Formats: sequence, C-alpha cells, structure tokens
Amino acid sequence: AQSVTQLGSHVSVSEGALVLLRCNYSSSVPPYLFWYVQYPNQGLQLLLKYTSAATLVKGINGFEAEFKKSETSFHLTKPSAHMSDAAEYFCAVINEKLTFGTGTRLTIIP
Amino acid sequence: EPEVTQTPSHQVTQMGQEVILRCVPISNHLYFYWYRQILGQKVEFLVSFYNNEISEKSEIFDDQFSVERPDGSNFTLKIRSTKLEDSAMYFCASSVRHVNGANVLTFGAGSRLTVL
Repeated sequence: AQSVTQLGSHVSVSEGALVLLRCNYSSSVPPYLFWYVQYPNQGLQLLLKYTSAATLVKGINGFEAEFKKSETSFHLTKPSAHMSDAAEYFCAVINEKLTFGTGTRLTIIP
Repeated sequence: EPEVTQTPSHQVTQMGQEVILRCVPISNHLYFYWYRQILGQKVEFLVSFYNNEISEKSEIFDDQFSVERPDGSNFTLKIRSTKLEDSAMYFCASSVRHVNGANVLTFGAGSRLTVL
C-alpha cells in the first residue's frame, strides 16, 4: 500500500529563511503526490501536485517540491518564509483514496 | 472559483445524539468523500461515494455512520448516536473523476463537531 511519512511534526523558521518540510513516500508504482496546507481554522487547500510530468513542481504562494525517485522523497520548499506561511502542511499520496501524512506544523519566527 | 461548502461550521452536541453534517459539492463533480481530523492527529479517510452508493469506506466508518445524497446538490454525513471520540473536524471533498490518476480533490472548510 502506498503511504507517506512526514519527518518533523513541528518546524520553526525565521521570517525570510528557507522553509524545508520533508516527505518520504512508499510506493511500488510511480506515485501521485500532493502537498496540502491548512491555515488556522480553515480547510485543506491544495498547494501543488506531482503527476510524473516534471520532477520539480511549482505551487501557490512561492512553494515548490521536487520529486526524487532515488530518495523516495517529495520535500516542500520555499526560499523565503513569510509570516503568512504559518500553517499545517500535509503531504498526501493517491492510491484508491487520498492518504495523508501526519502533518507538519510550520511556525514562523519574526 | 467553485468551492465545496459545508454546514454547520461548528456543532456542539450531547453524547448519544444524532448529528447530520451537510456538504454541497462542486456542481459538476461526481465523486464525494468524507474525511475527518481528530484534534492533533492526521486527516483520515472515512468514505467515498459515487453513483448514489458507497464505493469505499474505512474501518472507522462503522454502523453509526451513514451518507446520503438526498437531492441533486447535498451530500450528508449522519452520525446516529455520537460518542465522545467522534469529536473532530469533518471535511467533505469532491472530485470530477475517481481519485485514481491524480484527480484533485477539492475540500470544504470543514465542520467541527464537539461531543460533550
């Protein structure tokens, strides 16, 4: 069965610093991978998705993620953190259903 | 941009009471889903629904739960007799096609259920 593992339940970065949120997948077939964001008191919003067209995927709000088959990873990055990026981020994989990781709470330090 | 709407945004109920959470999926979507997120835990799949029947359900979705599409627009989740552990955020989602093949699910903002 396909699954994702998010390393680090909490990540804190300074405003303007690089954001790196880690996600590793487990799949016997090429996976479809997603990053969702959940802002406080809001629902799940799609940030970006990987569907095998290109290994570097650009999403909304300056985020991007790179699919690395050799590392079975799909880490989410943003070059410069903004206060508004504070949220919970979920990596997810498609099999018969969308399966989420445990989430990483991103805190931005002023 | 089309969106999935959920009502109520927050409901407080007594243990043992019935609760109905409502969702209006995007109008041209054919597949509907409920997920839940217990506070501090990950988002978990509950059930998927297509062509007026359940296509898949998780082990969480026991006999206390049911889903229905009573008309052409609403998709409801009913919890027959709520338990304390049903307290969670419930997310409705819809998609144009089946989730296989990376069709994106669009999620609603969620309904927070608190069982006292």
